[in-house]
Amino acid sequence: DAGVIQSPRHEVTEMGQEVTLRCKPISGHNSLFWYRQTMMRGLELLIYFNNNVPIDDSGMPEDRFSAKMPNASFSTLKIQPSEPRDSAVYFCASSLGLRGQFGNEQFFGPGTRLTVL
Amino acid sequence: AQSVSQHNHHVILSEAASLELGCNYSYGGTVNLFWYVQYPGQHLQLLLKYFSGDPLVKGIKGFEAEFIKSKFSFNLRKPSVQWSDTAEYFCAVTLDTDKLIFGTGTRLQVFP
Repeated sequence: DAGVIQSPRHEVTEMGQEVTLRCKPISGHNSLFWYRQTMMRGLELLIYFNNNVPIDDSGMPEDRFSAKMPNASFSTLKIQPSEPRDSAVYFCASSLGLRGQFGNEQFFGPGTRLTVL
Repeated sequence: AQSVSQHNHHVILSEAASLELGCNYSYGGTVNLFWYVQYPGQHLQLLLKYFSGDPLVKGIKGFEAEFIKSKFSFNLRKPSVQWSDTAEYFCAVTLDTDKLIFGTGTRLQVFP
């Protein structure tokens, strides 16, 4: 298995531009997570999906951020408009969420390093 | 709010030294506990996890962690570190959902 795939690996953009980050989870996994990592705040969960449905988006910073999961093999995280404080590494992770069981191992992608100038 | 504390932000050791990284969480109920590692330039990988049973958990690469419920702790240990253990280590907890709450991480540097 190729693992969790994220694209692009690096993104440099200017303030005000729209940014779209993409994630392909491990085949067969039914939970998908978006995290943001910064020096100041560490690793933060932004949103997670189960069976393509958003379960908890309480970590999404503000309305500029949106995430979708149109099918089991693809998710996007969009920032519009982007700001310099959005600069971070964004990780996607997936897991096989078994019914009635929590805390299943999450497998992380390589991350997208976003720089907003 | 639930939180995870890692008090050691940066640890520097020589090879063969013993390692213990602290992790404390604030939640009185049932928890699942994890240690993840992030090698330089790589993504996070699971080192070990505790769900129930024996509070002493053994993971990959010689790491182990002990769950002490009375202390709300899940410290990571390794008897003898190697240069290749240089990485950032994250403690994490889930409560009754799949949401992982991470600590701020501990950066470990091992010198030959």
